[in-house]
Amino acid sequence: NAGVTQTPKFQVLKTGQSMTLQCAQDMNHEYMSWYRQDPGMGLRLIHYSVGAGITDQGEVPNGYNVSRSTTEDFPLRLLSAAPSQTSVYFCASSSRRGGNEQFFGPGTRLTVL
Amino acid sequence: AQKITQTQPGMFVQEKEAVTLDCTYDTSDPSYGLFWYKQPSSGEMIFLIYQGSYDQQNATEGRYSLNFQKARKSANLVISASQLGDSAMYFCAMRGDAGGTSYGKLTFGQGTILTVHP
Repeated sequence: NAGVTQTPKFQVLKTGQSMTLQCAQDMNHEYMSWYRQDPGMGLRLIHYSVGAGITDQGEVPNGYNVSRSTTEDFPLRLLSAAPSQTSVYFCASSSRRGGNEQFFGPGTRLTVL
Repeated sequence: AQKITQTQPGMFVQEKEAVTLDCTYDTSDPSYGLFWYKQPSSGEMIFLIYQGSYDQQNATEGRYSLNFQKARKSANLVISASQLGDSAMYFCAMRGDAGGTSYGKLTFGQGTILTVHP
């Protein structure tokens, strides 16, 4: 199992550009989430999903869109990048079926100029 | 709403000594889970330990134990016999376990940087 994978690892954008951060998991987990981590702060929830076709907002959803067309994939879209979105983004997945751990991807470091 | 507070921005410990990292929480959920994650300088999030709110005993995983005091709403991480490789950022987190959508949502504290001295 690859676990939770994220692409790209690094990305530099200009203000106003759009892009999609990819997240995939191969553990058949029903729950998937996106977090951002700013310097000196803990992770904050952006959006999450409880299954294919079902998504909801977290603590800091503004400027981001998500969709979940399959169990495996949960892409995060930045509609019009702003310098305030410079951060490290983590995708995570979990399941009620086994254990309590939330499995995190390696993260994407995004810089918006 | 859930809140996690970690009041120690940084902690220092001598190699082979034990160290306690503090975590207090607030929630209105009747059932919840508490987590500790380690984030080394390489940036990945490493799961350490989990405690359910209805678990009768404190969780342990190797050198890690969670000192759970429900009445005080605290969930401190104890690392025994510290090693140089324990130097990292440590995050306390929680989620509601009552069901529905809360299972996939973690609320994190701001973290504690642990430095282990030789």
